[in-house]
Amino acid sequence: DTAVSQTPKYLVTQMGNDKSIKCEQNLGHDTMYWYKQDSKKFLKIMFSYNNKELIINETVPNRFSPKSPDKAHLNLHINSLELGDSAVYFCASSQFRTGNSGYTFGSGTRLTVV
Amino acid sequence: QKEVEQDPGPLSVPEGAIVSLNCTYSNSAFQYFMWYRQYSRKGPELLMYTYSSGNKEDGRFTAQVDKSSKYISLFIRDSQPSDSATYLCAIVGAQKLVFGQGTRLTINP
Repeated sequence: DTAVSQTPKYLVTQMGNDKSIKCEQNLGHDTMYWYKQDSKKFLKIMFSYNNKELIINETVPNRFSPKSPDKAHLNLHINSLELGDSAVYFCASSQFRTGNSGYTFGSGTRLTVV
Repeated sequence: QKEVEQDPGPLSVPEGAIVSLNCTYSNSAFQYFMWYRQYSRKGPELLMYTYSSGNKEDGRFTAQVDKSSKYISLFIRDSQPSDSATYLCAIVGAQKLVFGQGTRLTINP
C-alpha cells in the first residue's frame, strides 16, 4: 500500500503544452510538498500546502500552479512547458508540527519536454 | 552561500570499507538533521534523523551532528554493494526540508 503515490511516473511532452501531475498520500499527514530534482540530483522545494493552504511558494515561474483539493491530495499543473522544465518532480508529505520526524517522498514523475 | 553544502562525489569504495559522508550548513538555528538515501529512479527514503548535537546509531549507520562546527556526518560500517545509492543530507528549516547536493556512492564487490 503506497504511502505517497504520484501519477504519471513518466511524462514526455512537447514544448508549449500544458500538463498535470497528481499526488495522493494515505499517511494522514496534513502537509504536502512539491520538490524538483534537476539533472545533478539537487532537490529544491517548489511549494508546500498545509491543510489545503499554500504556505510555501518558492521562486517558481507562475506557469506552475499547485492545487490541493484536500489534505491528502496535491496536484501540480504546468502551463506552456519549456525545455528547462525537464526534471524529476517529487511529491512529499509530513505532519506539520512534527515535520522534523521525517518527510515521506513519492517515487517521482520524470518529465521530459522535447 | 548555499544553506547546505555537500560534496557530490562520486565516491567509490570496496565492499566492507567504512564510508564517511559529510555536509556543512550555514544557519546555526537549524536543529533537525536528516539523511536520505535515494536509489536510481526512486524517491528519497529517510535513513536517519537526529536532533541537536551528538551521535545516533542504527545498525551499520551512524549519524553525527556537531552544531559548533555546523557539520553533519553519516558513517556506514561494513559497507555492502546494496548501499550503492545517492545519499542526501537534509535539514529542517523554515517549514521545509533543505537538501544538500547529494553524494553518489558506489560500493564495489
